[in-house]
Amino acid sequence: NAGVTQTPKFQVLKTGQSMTLQCAQDMNHNSMYWYRQDPGMGLRLIYYSASEGTTDKGEVPNGYNVSRLKKQNFLLGLESAAPSQTSVYFCASSYVSGGSEAFFGQGTRLTVV
Amino acid sequence: KNEVEQSPQNLTAQEGEFITINCSYSVGISALHWLQQHPGGGIVSLFMLSSGKKKHGRLIATINIQEKHSSLHITASHPRDSAVYICAALLRGSRLTFGEGTQLTVNP
Repeated sequence: NAGVTQTPKFQVLKTGQSMTLQCAQDMNHNSMYWYRQDPGMGLRLIYYSASEGTTDKGEVPNGYNVSRLKKQNFLLGLESAAPSQTSVYFCASSYVSGGSEAFFGQGTRLTVV
Repeated sequence: KNEVEQSPQNLTAQEGEFITINCSYSVGISALHWLQQHPGGGIVSLFMLSSGKKKHGRLIATINIQEKHSSLHITASHPRDSAVYICAALLRGSRLTFGEGTQLTVNP
């Protein structure tokens, strides 16, 4: 019953450092998403992938990159972390984009100092 | 103006009370999701609906497409229902757009 698994759960980065957030789902879902959640704002879409090998920008893609080389994995990269990227990041997956139940990971709390 | 708006932002209730959380959206949608986020951050999908009403235990979700409005009701509320409740609309031709959430606190 793994569902959607995100790693790591917590991370502290220095400004300028790079890192990759990992997301894995075992439900054979086609669509995967990366969101960020900031105080006083709803979840905002960073990038999404409608199927293996395809990715598209969401509302707030600047400063991030993604890859979906395998259907079960969706990686979110920060090439040069900035304090504005301090946030809680959620990965989610669904069978189809938006029109089916979405399953969320537990979140990654990222602090950039 | 956000395309998906929730009210109230914060809600405090006594155990046993009937609770209603509202969600309004400004454009046509294909589906609407209700999500629950507990302290500690995990998000769980409660309902996805495109018309009518769905019920699961003490939770009921309704949607009125003509009025562009959905409600989440909790009957016989309990302290364990304390969480943030989020609605998310699948706007036509787009991806999910989220409301800011409603922080519910149920006191014993």
